[in-house]
Amino acid sequence: DTGVSQNPRHKITKRGQNVTFRCDPISEHNRLYWYRQTLGQGPEFLTYFQNEAQLEKSRLLSDRFSAERPKGSFSTLEIQRTEQGDSAMYLCASSWTGGGSTNEKLFFGSGTQLSVL
Amino acid sequence: AQKITQTQPGMFVQEKEAVTLDCTYDTSDQSYGLFWYKQPSSGEMIFLIYQGSYDEQNATEGRYSLNFQKARKSANLVISASQLGDSAMYFCAMREGQWYAAGNKLTFGGGTRVLVKP
Repeated sequence: DTGVSQNPRHKITKRGQNVTFRCDPISEHNRLYWYRQTLGQGPEFLTYFQNEAQLEKSRLLSDRFSAERPKGSFSTLEIQRTEQGDSAMYLCASSWTGGGSTNEKLFFGSGTQLSVL
Repeated sequence: AQKITQTQPGMFVQEKEAVTLDCTYDTSDQSYGLFWYKQPSSGEMIFLIYQGSYDEQNATEGRYSLNFQKARKSANLVISASQLGDSAMYFCAMREGQWYAAGNKLTFGGGTRVLVKP
């Protein structure tokens, strides 16, 4: 169990550029979540997948944001035409909902810190 | 209205002493879950403890216990015998609805920074 892996750890980009982040969940986990955390705040839910299906998107996820999980394994989060307000830590989490668990426990990665200049 | 309120932005605690972190929540759902996460400077969110709305007993996980007062809508975290490694940000979070139907979409509070003094 290597945990949730996110790449890159840091990304600096200029306003207007596109960026893509990758998340590799724990291998048997079927759910994958994206959260965004700005400085001094708690994380905010963006979207989540069950296997390859994107089940819900927050209204925080504008049209410039797109997330995919093509084979139900890793996921990518793309931001087009970045704005300074997109600067934040983007956190990925995964979970396993099988096995008769009474609760779904999220395992978080260390995040990708995005800075838009 | 804030769904999760953590009123203590920062706290100092002496090593080996206990500390209580406050959390109040607001929901009209009957079924919900309450969580505490620890975020060290490395950035990852580490799960500490969970309390379901129907759980009658307060949750405990090692040195962590959750003081659940449903009528007051509070879910305070108690860390006993603080250690230097407990220095971190602590977040209270809530899931509304059943996790298997609604997904574990968490609403987080603003966090409390804890610094443990030797």
